[in-house]
Amino acid sequence: EVQLVESGGGVVQPGGSLRLSCAASGFTFDDFTMHWVRQTPGKGLEWVSLISWDGGSTDYEESVKGRFTISRDNSKNSLHLQMNGLRTEDTALYYCAKGFFYSESTTFVPGGMDVWGRGTTVTVSS
Amino acid sequence: DIQLTQSPSFLSASVGDRVTITCRASQGISTYLAWYQQKPGQAPKLLIYAASTLQRGVPSRFSASGSGTEFTLTISRLQPEDFATYYCQQLSSYPQTFGQGAKVEIK
Repeated sequence: EVQLVESGGGVVQPGGSLRLSCAASGFTFDDFTMHWVRQTPGKGLEWVSLISWDGGSTDYEESVKGRFTISRDNSKNSLHLQMNGLRTEDTALYYCAKGFFYSESTTFVPGGMDVWGRGTTVTVSS
Repeated sequence: DIQLTQSPSFLSASVGDRVTITCRASQGISTYLAWYQQKPGQAPKLLIYAASTLQRGVPSRFSASGSGTEFTLTISRLQPEDFATYYCQQLSSYPQTFGQGAKVEIK
């Protein structure tokens, strides 16, 4: 069964740090781009970060640049998000998600995210 | 960043109804658009990619179309399990933004 399981969420004070993890199973992890997406009642779904299959390329949503670091360990089928300098506005349910690509002409293009975990909750509060 | 605006944000419908949700992009995104369904307490589920292609396993009562800046998701005959929130997402450029969601509730 294809599965993603997040862990590492919790309650932290503003300025604090957390490290989220995502354990992948049921698919060839190192073939796929992976993402972190967060969700809040007020702002809905928000893409946070991605990492390419080999970890060689990463990208971040503007508000987390310089504070969050995405990484992966393909030997352990795991994805991580190191979150430093946390702010109250980072409070959310954090999902890891598998990137989906489809063939268009002679290339593969992003088609969304086809496997999601159940999420882990991060609460930033004093 | 590319903004996506969904309409309506909320709609009330009955089983068997035909429902259409619109997603408008602030700039052209070709067909780099996905649609997701999210039920309470669950993660989003990919329904549609490339603006109009059904993901494997998605019932054929779901269809979608559009390109450029205007896209639609249609459910031809609403079933009880379709009551959920639907999101569009653009894949044309980073950040890969989502629409604000369209909640379909039972009338």
